[in-house]
Amino acid sequence: AQSVTQPDIHITVSEGASLELRCNYSYGATPYLFWYVQSPGQGLQLLLKYFSGDTLVQGIKGFEAEFKRSQSSFNLRKPSVHWSDAAEYFCAVGAEWGGADGLTFGKGTHLIIQP
Amino acid sequence: GAVVSQHPSRVICKSGTSVKIECRSLDFQATTMFWYRQFPKQSLMLMATSNEGSKATYEQGVEKDKFLINHASLTLSTLTVTSAHPEDSSFYICSAPPLAGTDTQYFGPGTRLTVL
Repeated sequence: AQSVTQPDIHITVSEGASLELRCNYSYGATPYLFWYVQSPGQGLQLLLKYFSGDTLVQGIKGFEAEFKRSQSSFNLRKPSVHWSDAAEYFCAVGAEWGGADGLTFGKGTHLIIQP
Repeated sequence: GAVVSQHPSRVICKSGTSVKIECRSLDFQATTMFWYRQFPKQSLMLMATSNEGSKATYEQGVEKDKFLINHASLTLSTLTVTSAHPEDSSFYICSAPPLAGTDTQYFGPGTRLTVL
């Protein structure tokens, strides 16, 4: 069975500063990896995904993530955060293409933006 | 694009009553739907997979008799929380798996259940 660890429960970043959210996964085969964002009381929005190919993937809202198989990591980055980026961020892994068999989510990282 | 809706968006009920949550695929057919539960300020956990025309598949530890899932048609899946108690209060989210030629799930907006 797969699992996802997001070691940081909360992260506080100043507006305009760079951001990195950590994600480690455990899965024996090729993982299908996702980052989602959830604003308070809202549903999930897909930021980006990695299935294969170039290990640096670009997503929406200026986010990117890098897949490192040797470290079983899929960290999310943004060079300069905006106040509107304050939200909950979830890393997820699926065993099948597109998460067709359902997704396993990490516990999430709550991002706080300081003015 | 493919849209999944949920109804209601919020529901408050008394302890001991049953609550039904609907998940609809608005512009496509879904033979499978996933139901997730999100405790306050926590992660999403896959509860079960509903299958049109057959029984739902529940994840380990999920009470089948407590969370009744019915996939009545190719556009509707329902989750009924039976004899709800305060500990059932959660955010329930459904999703449809990727359509042919696509590679992401389609999540509904979620239903906030509060049991008093």
